[in-house]
Amino acid sequence: DIQMTQSPSSLSASVGDSVAIACRASQTIRTYLNWFQHKPGKAPKLLIFAASSLQSGVPSRFSGSGSGTDFTLTISSLQPEDFATYYCQQSYTTPRTFGQGTKVEIK
Amino acid sequence: QVTLRESGPALVKPTQTLTLTCTFSGFSLSTSGMCVSWIRQAPGKALEWLARIDWDDDKHYSTSLKTRLTISKDTSKNQVVLTMTNMDPVDTATYYCAREVVTFLDYWGQGTLVTVSA
Repeated sequence: DIQMTQSPSSLSASVGDSVAIACRASQTIRTYLNWFQHKPGKAPKLLIFAASSLQSGVPSRFSGSGSGTDFTLTISSLQPEDFATYYCQQSYTTPRTFGQGTKVEIK
Repeated sequence: QVTLRESGPALVKPTQTLTLTCTFSGFSLSTSGMCVSWIRQAPGKALEWLARIDWDDDKHYSTSLKTRLTISKDTSKNQVVLTMTNMDPVDTATYYCAREVVTFLDYWGQGTLVTVSA
């Protein structure tokens, strides 16, 4: 199975800050990388697919980059509604695998 | 409008078999490229991908759970069923179904909490 490793596991930031979350795959996944936002009691929400494509309806402050094994999710100018846990997921092959998550908390 | 909804028992006993149903609308699982996946999240843990069934009835399973999982579909009813045998308290989790199309999970159900306890 392809292992997905995110860093950091958690971070504290203030409204208006820019944050970056890293995701590394254990082997190349080309650009088959998706990012999800998950809030307690809610369904996960797709933010970015194919490493850098913004899902319809997602604010442009979210962006993704990377290819091969290293990827980044960037949130520019954090908003109160952005405090959540973020997951990367590879869709290069099955079984699909998720990273362990990065919790973004309010400083 | 695409929607998915999970249903099943809220409580199961250890060693029992869990059966969950995902009922969806707004798409057909007979359309080429359409898939439905199951994902779970145990309390305080990360999302864990479990299984996927494809429009052509191809099936894919988590490596660690594949001996316990079976996924099936009823295209006429717009349903996907997941069974998990030999349930254990560590299987306590919120179980989600989601549509996968063109390699990404774009629509998710709200999830159903399953507790495993005697």
